[in-house]
Formats: sequence, structure tokens, C-alpha cells
Amino acid sequence: QKEVEQDPGPLSVPEGAIVSLNCTYSNSAFQYFMWYRQYSRKGPELLMYTYSSGNKEDGRFTAQVDKSSKYISLFIRDSQPSDSATYLCAMSPRGTGNQFYFGTGTSLTVIP
Amino acid sequence: DAGVTQSPTHLIKTRGQQVTLRCSPKSGHDTVSWYQQALGQGPQFIFQYYEEEERQRGNFPDRFSGHQFPNYSSELNVNALLLGDSALYLCASSLAGPPSGNTIYFGEGSWLTVV
Repeated sequence: QKEVEQDPGPLSVPEGAIVSLNCTYSNSAFQYFMWYRQYSRKGPELLMYTYSSGNKEDGRFTAQVDKSSKYISLFIRDSQPSDSATYLCAMSPRGTGNQFYFGTGTSLTVIP
Repeated sequence: DAGVTQSPTHLIKTRGQQVTLRCSPKSGHDTVSWYQQALGQGPQFIFQYYEEEERQRGNFPDRFSGHQFPNYSSELNVNALLLGDSALYLCASSLAGPPSGNTIYFGEGSWLTVV
């Protein structure tokens, strides 16, 4: 079993839709949770960073962490064509002193 | 504020050859991690350098080695290249210390093709 599971998609939505991206994990030691956006043939760009459980909002993006269910989500409101990319979840037991474990990424296309 | 910079951006090597990839961390960061990302996969941790020493290592063979210099920049070396080493190699920098509000930032990566 992989440490982090993420549905690879692809996911296709119309412009303006609410997008929900999810990851599950098996290691209860994970405390730091990140979402990265990766455009084709580019390096991952940090979108959201959350410690432990709870919600965090930044503009059109909301990250949720449910440690009891070992489940994290990223919501994108009012999706735009520029949001078309691969979204990677990542997590770590103790932050930057440890390796980060990544999902395989979900490919998202927002159709104008 | 310069972000994480990597070089070269693309390179093609032949099986059995050796390759060196370079990384300069984000200004103010002192820790460098290297990841391998195969096509269609998430990044896989290779190793991390802090204070010029390898602090942690993922499940990669000894053909993969690295170095960190006093200015915090880093190199990744891969010997005896295999076709399966073809991937995007990502450098990530971070700041050691309290993790609150602290995470890793990636460069644009070096695309390695082994033929």
C-alpha cells in the first residue's frame, strides 16, 4: 500500500465550477500537509500548507485536513482555465526535516 | 528574491554515463532535498542535505550521490545511468528549524533523458 493515494483523474470541469481534489494516507504520523500545482514540464508550485487538522482558506482555494479519517482535500472555487494543471498533495511527519511523501497527482482541465 | 534555481534544464545522456545536476536554494534557505519525478508520477524523495551532510535518504541505490557546499548549493550525481533514470529531477529548498509555517519550495527541475 502506498503512503499517499491520489486519484490521477483526469478531471474535466466547466469554467466557474467548484473543484474538489482529494488524497488519503495511511501513516498516522503525518502532521504537515501541502498542495502543489504543477504545470506541464514545470516544477511544482506551493499552493497551500496546513499543519494538523482543520481548514485553511486562501482566495479561491480551501484546504481541509481530517486526520481522524486520514483524508485531505483541496477545493477550488470559481475555477478558471488557468487552473488547468496537475495538483499534487504532499505530507510529512515533522516538516522540512523529513522527506515529503507525494501523491501521484490529479490532472485538472477547466474548460472555458 | 531569487527562488530555487537548477541547471541544466534539459540533458540527454547515454546508458552507463554519469551526470551531475546542480541546485541553488532559495535565498535564506539552508536545506536542500532532491526528488525524482517520473512521467505521470509524484516526486520521490532521493535525499536531503543540511550542513553539508546527507541527513536523510530515500529508497535509491548508491549510484545516486550528492554534495552540499558551504554556500548551501548542492549537486546530485548519478553514475552508471540506466534507461529508468530518465525523469524530472527536482531540487527543493527549505529552512531548518521550527517547522511552523515552513515548507519546501521547488525549482523548475532538470529533465534527464537516458538513451
